[in-house]
Amino acid sequence: DIQMTQSPSSLSASVGDRVTITCRASQSISSYLNWYQQKPGKAPKLLIYAASSLQSGVPSRFSGSGSGTDFTLTISSLQPEDFATYYCQQSYITPPITFGQGTRLEIK
Amino acid sequence: EVQLVESGGVVVQPGGSLRLSCAASGFTFDDYTMHWVRQAPGKGLEWVSLISWDGGSTYYADSVKGRFTISRDNSKNSLYLQMNSLRTEDTALYYCSKDNGGPGRSDAFDIWGQGTMVTVSS
Repeated sequence: DIQMTQSPSSLSASVGDRVTITCRASQSISSYLNWYQQKPGKAPKLLIYAASSLQSGVPSRFSGSGSGTDFTLTISSLQPEDFATYYCQQSYITPPITFGQGTRLEIK
Repeated sequence: EVQLVESGGVVVQPGGSLRLSCAASGFTFDDYTMHWVRQAPGKGLEWVSLISWDGGSTYYADSVKGRFTISRDNSKNSLYLQMNSLRTEDTALYYCSKDNGGPGRSDAFDIWGQGTMVTVSS
């Protein structure tokens, strides 16, 4: 199974900051990498698919990059509604479909 | 409006059985692969199972293989998860989710339900 490792596990930042979350796969997954946002008590929401494609309706301050084993999710200017937990997920060698452990983004 | 609504979550004893349902609306249900994803309290996301658009292909996480069965009824726009031999470690919020691809899977999840809670406890 492909293991997905996110860093950091938690992060404190301020409104307006530029934030980057990293996801590393245990083997190459080409660009088959997706990012989700989950707010407390809510279902996850797809932000980015295929490493860099913005899901419809997602603000352009979110962007994704990377290929192979190393990927990043960047929020260019944090907004109050962006404080949440973020998960990466690989869709290259499936099943099983595997997620990272999550990165909790908190207000500084 | 595209919507998924799960139901069937309850408190059940270890070794018991349960059937979860997911009602889909607002999209052509039989065009899409569907998934179940779960989240234990305070933990991350774990993919559980998927079923192809026509029900012809099903896959399971190793943690549930042989105990859970996914199925769908396209005439009723509904997805199901039959859960047998339940264990305490199956305690989680179970989400139904729609695959982002068409008839071919993408294994990304673009629509999620609100989840239904399954608690396995004596």
